[in-house]
Amino acid sequence: NAGVTQTPKFRILKIGQSMTLQCTQDMNHNYMYWYRQDPGMGLKLIYYSVGAGITDKGEVPNGYNVSRSTTEDFPLRLELAAPSQTSVYFCASSPNPGTAGANTGELFFGEGSRLTVL
Amino acid sequence: DAKTTQPTSMDCAEGRAANLPCNHSTISGNEYVYWYRQIHSQGPQYIIHGLKNNETNEMASLIITEDRKSSTLILPHATLRDTAVYYCIVRVTFEAAGNKLTFGGGTRVLVKP
Repeated sequence: NAGVTQTPKFRILKIGQSMTLQCTQDMNHNYMYWYRQDPGMGLKLIYYSVGAGITDKGEVPNGYNVSRSTTEDFPLRLELAAPSQTSVYFCASSPNPGTAGANTGELFFGEGSRLTVL
Repeated sequence: DAKTTQPTSMDCAEGRAANLPCNHSTISGNEYVYWYRQIHSQGPQYIIHGLKNNETNEMASLIITEDRKSSTLILPHATLRDTAVYYCIVRVTFEAAGNKLTFGGGTRVLVKP
């Protein structure tokens, strides 16, 4: 059971380039999230999804796009990379209410993707 | 969601209990207290949560005051592997929030030999 898998782990981008951070989970969780974490700071929510075909903005969505075509995958797209997007990105998932193991409300996080924009 | 206040950092001795405080004076009746920790840039890890009763699991204990305005996470026998940033998060019920979590700055805990 792999849990939440993020790729790539590290990436350097030039200003203006585009890229997609991949996130997949094998726990059949309906809820998925993208957070970013700047050095020395807490995590900030970028986007989240409560199921396939449904996405919503979090606290810091500008400069990012997401899609949720399947339960397993929740990719994060950066269209025009800027130095301000240099950060560590974490994907997470959680089971939907009422399902087994959902009563804690626990989020399961991936190992992160470290992105540098130069 | 209610705002939380935690000390920026604290040290504790290996083998001793670590008591991590959190203030959440504006907490509402339907808001839970959650604790997560993040070890050296890894993804955050769930520790424990509670509503108003004290809770204990294999990782820690959570003590919530009777007025629910503050809580304490207790690591009973701290080890070097417990060195991490600990986040106290207050959040409404699962369904209402889309299960989103709002992270503050947390407490940086250093366990010393």
